[in-house]
Amino acid sequence: GQQVMQIPQYQHVQEGEDFTTYCNSSTTLSNIQWYKQRPGGHPVFLIQLVKSGEVKKQKRLTFQFGEAKKNSSLHITATQTTDVGTYFCACTGNQFYFGTGTSLTVIP
Amino acid sequence: GAGVSQSPSNKVTEKGKDVELRCDPISGHTALYWYRQSLGQGLEFLIYFQGNSAPDKSGLPSDRFSAERTGGSVSTLTIQRTQQEDSAVYLCASSLEEGPNQPQHFGDGTRLSIL
Repeated sequence: GQQVMQIPQYQHVQEGEDFTTYCNSSTTLSNIQWYKQRPGGHPVFLIQLVKSGEVKKQKRLTFQFGEAKKNSSLHITATQTTDVGTYFCACTGNQFYFGTGTSLTVIP
Repeated sequence: GAGVSQSPSNKVTEKGKDVELRCDPISGHTALYWYRQSLGQGLEFLIYFQGNSAPDKSGLPSDRFSAERTGGSVSTLTIQRTQQEDSAVYLCASSLEEGPNQPQHFGDGTRLSIL
């Protein structure tokens, strides 16, 4: 079955440092979505990437979809304490698969 | 309401009891999804509905789990003869349509604890 792995599993950064999480699939993806889950909260949709090599930006967040459509990344520039949470990538095959998630802690 | 509503928000029950979890999706959303999330873990896909139909039930962990949706709206997830390993947060999501390009909107979940 389809597997989506994320690295790292955990990341601690000082406020102001950059952060990147990577999502890797064993198969080619039709699209990829990114979600953020705050501690104690539910996942919230951030963005969707569809095209090979696509890059999208939301303020300090930059999302990339690999040329082969098997990997994706989320980069946060100059992290803030409000960025704390777990970031999940998600994709669809026969079912809807969420990655294992990267938990981000920002130290003030 | 404006968002996905799940009830109860918390459920504590004894091992062996049956539980029923409810999800009320966003009005007009035809697709509905159920996930399970254990503490500190990712989301485990359980089942999805397109309208009242569930095309793929293979994500359900065992035959103790069942789900239904009526009227293309409210869905219930039923767990029979609960076990301690069923303890988790059960999340429901809905999207406007079924398909890979649809963002999912999540409810706050039901936290299930089996004693």
